[in-house]
Amino acid sequence: KAGVTQTPRYLIKTRGQQVTLSCSPISGHRSVSWYQQTPGQGLQFLFEYFSETQRNKGNFPGRFSGRQFSNSRSEMNVSTLELGDSALYLCASSLTGTERHRQETQYFGPGTRLLVL
Amino acid sequence: KQEVTQIPAALSVPEGENLVLNCSFTDSAIYNLQWFRQDPGKGLTSLLLIQSSQREQTSGRLNASLDKSSGRSTLYIAASQPGDSATYLCAVGLNNAGNMLTFGGGTRLMVKP
Repeated sequence: KAGVTQTPRYLIKTRGQQVTLSCSPISGHRSVSWYQQTPGQGLQFLFEYFSETQRNKGNFPGRFSGRQFSNSRSEMNVSTLELGDSALYLCASSLTGTERHRQETQYFGPGTRLLVL
Repeated sequence: KQEVTQIPAALSVPEGENLVLNCSFTDSAIYNLQWFRQDPGKGLTSLLLIQSSQREQTSGRLNASLDKSSGRSTLYIAASQPGDSATYLCAVGLNNAGNMLTFGGGTRLMVKP
């Protein structure tokens, strides 16, 4: 079974631009979560999508947005990029993440490394 | 607000040693606790998941324990090997929060041959 894939793997942008990152979850998984990892703040939760609906949202500005498609693939978008947005963006997938599936493990992709100049 | 702390931040041990990594969390209303491994520049690999009703989980040389009442978890690595060198992260999921995980800062482990 193929793992979580993220594209692109590396990206260089300049301040003020926008960027779209893509995540394809493991086949059959319906929940996709996004995280930002920086040396200073560590891993921080951005948002989670389940069945095309945002289920949870972290404490990030509105410049960060996402969506999920009917095939569970997800995209996140960052508008008006700032230098501080440079980070490794990770997505994770799991089956559903409901109370009935307490054994669920989240599977992470390799990440997209974004550098904002 | 849930806060997760990992001690120590870095650890260097000779090959063959048994070692313990620590994780503490402030809100005991957790859904589960997971331990992950991250190699430099890579994504996270899940090692062990402990449900809130469980006390421990084992996988090979790894054993993770959970004490919800005291807000603590430990990851025990037996007979460490150079291939165990990586950053180890613990993360907690809260009740009624879907799949949102709150991560600790990680412990960077170096196992010297």
